[in-house]
Amino acid sequence: AQSVTQLDSHVSVSEGTPVLLRCNYSSSYSPSLFWYVQHPNKGLQLLLKYTSAATLVKGINGFEAEFKKSETSFHLTKPSAHMSDAAEYFCVVSGYSSASKIIFGSGTRLSIRP
Amino acid sequence: DVKVTQSSRYLVKRTGEKVFLECVQDMDHENMFWYRQDPGLGLRLIYFSYDVKMKEKGDIPEGYSVSREKKERFSLILESASTNQTSMYLCASSPQGVATEAFFGQGTRLTVV
Repeated sequence: AQSVTQLDSHVSVSEGTPVLLRCNYSSSYSPSLFWYVQHPNKGLQLLLKYTSAATLVKGINGFEAEFKKSETSFHLTKPSAHMSDAAEYFCVVSGYSSASKIIFGSGTRLSIRP
Repeated sequence: DVKVTQSSRYLVKRTGEKVFLECVQDMDHENMFWYRQDPGLGLRLIYFSYDVKMKEKGDIPEGYSVSREKKERFSLILESASTNQTSMYLCASSPQGVATEAFFGQGTRLTVV
């Protein structure tokens, strides 16, 4: 069985400071991991994905995530927050087969202070 | 441009009614999913389908059923709607393959009164 745990339901940072959104996963096999973003009243958008090719994954809008197998973590980071980053972020795990479930975390709401 | 279309954006139904939520994708994807999204709970998987007429239960299938008679269409059925099924429902599709991206519809906000 697979699952993801997002460790913070809400994160608030000042504009221009670093962002860290934490995610731990559980999977019996080597997982595929994703981060999605959902802006208010908008649809879900893929930020980045891990497919075992490289442990540090770069995504859109300056976000990146590092896969750490020993810590079963896939934290999302950005060096400098922008007001437009305010949104809900979801960590997602999928299995090793093509017919696998896609399981979402409970989400982290990111607020940016001016 | 990839597209997942849900039949209704907003829906209001009465308790006990049978409710159909329809989802159509035009990308020839094998996998299709139904989620419900509630504040603080993220997206919870109700059912998914990896082929026509094939379905598997997700984490919260109780009170729901699904139908996939054609590859492009995946229907979610609430057999007897209840107020605790008031939620945002999201449909998604993805191609078969490891680590493939899922594409989402715009969502249906269902209110059961």
